[in-house]
Amino acid sequence: KAGVTQTPRYLIKTRGQQVTLSCSPISGHRSVSWYQQTPGQGLQFLFEYFSETQRNKGNFPGRFSGRQFSNSRSEMNVSTLELGDSALYLCASNFYGGAEETQYFGPGTRLLVL
Amino acid sequence: AQSVTQPDIHITVSEGASLELRCNYSYGATPYLFWYVQSPGQGLQLLLKYFSGDTLVQGIKGFEAEFKRSQSSFNLRKPSVHWSDAAEYFCAVGGDDYKLSFGAGTTVTVRA
Repeated sequence: KAGVTQTPRYLIKTRGQQVTLSCSPISGHRSVSWYQQTPGQGLQFLFEYFSETQRNKGNFPGRFSGRQFSNSRSEMNVSTLELGDSALYLCASNFYGGAEETQYFGPGTRLLVL
Repeated sequence: AQSVTQPDIHITVSEGASLELRCNYSYGATPYLFWYVQSPGQGLQLLLKYFSGDTLVQGIKGFEAEFKRSQSSFNLRKPSVHWSDAAEYFCAVGGDDYKLSFGAGTTVTVRA
């Protein structure tokens, strides 16, 4: 079974631009979570989608948004980029199933904002 | 509010020695607890998880963790460390909604 795929793996943008990151979860998983990892703030939850619906959202400004498609693939978008948005963005594929519930992370997209 | 504290920022251990990483959590209900490992430039790999049942949980790579509700702890252990265990380790807590809160991480260095 293929793992979690994130594209692109690396990205360089300038302040004020917007960016879209993509995540394909493990086949059969209907939920995707997004996290931001920075040296200063650590790992922070952005949002979670289940069957195309956002169920949870972290404490991030409205510039951060996401969506999920019918095939469970998810995208997150950051508009009007700021220097502080430079981070590793991790996507997790979530499986709900009693004792088998678990969360698998992708390799991440490293975003550098100049 | 949920939170995780990993008191040790950095631990150095000799190869073959035992390792214990501490994790204390705060959560208002029955927690889901996780340990993840991250190698430089990589994503997170799940080592083990606790949802319910037996409080001693076995994971991959020879790791185990013990859930102690009275101490709000979920410490990770390995009896004999290998050089490949050098990495950063994260403890996380959440509920059944996968909204996880992570600790700041513990970096493990393994010396020969």
